[in-house]
Amino acid sequence: SAVISQKPSRDICQRGTSLTIQCQVDSQVTMMFWYRQQPGQSLTLIATANQGSEATYESGFVIDKFPISRPNLTFSTLTVSNMSPEDSSIYLCSVVKLSEQYFGPGTRLTVT
Amino acid sequence: DAKTTQPTSMDCAEGRAANLPCNHSTISGNEYVYWYRQIHSQGPQYIIHGLKNNETNEMASLIITEDRKSSTLILPHATLRDTAVYYCIVRVGGDYGQNFVFGPGTRLSVLP
Repeated sequence: SAVISQKPSRDICQRGTSLTIQCQVDSQVTMMFWYRQQPGQSLTLIATANQGSEATYESGFVIDKFPISRPNLTFSTLTVSNMSPEDSSIYLCSVVKLSEQYFGPGTRLTVT
Repeated sequence: DAKTTQPTSMDCAEGRAANLPCNHSTISGNEYVYWYRQIHSQGPQYIIHGLKNNETNEMASLIITEDRKSSTLILPHATLRDTAVYYCIVRVGGDYGQNFVFGPGTRLSVLP
């Protein structure tokens, strides 16, 4: 299995600022995934983060808005830049290991 | 990965079996059926998965039709804590680094 922790668990931010979310996994994994879940919606994949290379972004998400770092096989960060109220969501970190997908507890972001 | 269709919502009486259907008529031979659930404000949690045989674990049973075009997740004795959104996902098995694609899911309400 994989145990994932995220920091912060929640935050309230002013529009125009940036927030960096940290994701730590208890074992080495090749790929880490970042999802967004807007209020009342299902999960949407933002990007896939590989260690040692640029993240791969899904349609509708760009690196300037959601820069991602992946410095090693157990850690990743997602930054939500120049925030607006539309960025208010839960952001989830995830990994796939042995045919199962594991999720962190999420970071609940509110932008005012 | 094949697409899935689930009812938007369902109710179930506490203590009764909850049967959640899923249609996946375009499933391929090497694709597994996975079920996850998301309890309010938490990350999705793995429940069960299967290829063609019925599966059972401590949480639930998975019944897959012989033609594999549909499946049913069974929670044998639903409790109030089983109230959640349940996601049926079809995906190639194995640790290939692919993420899981989440549809809207079924919102199950277990009623006292």
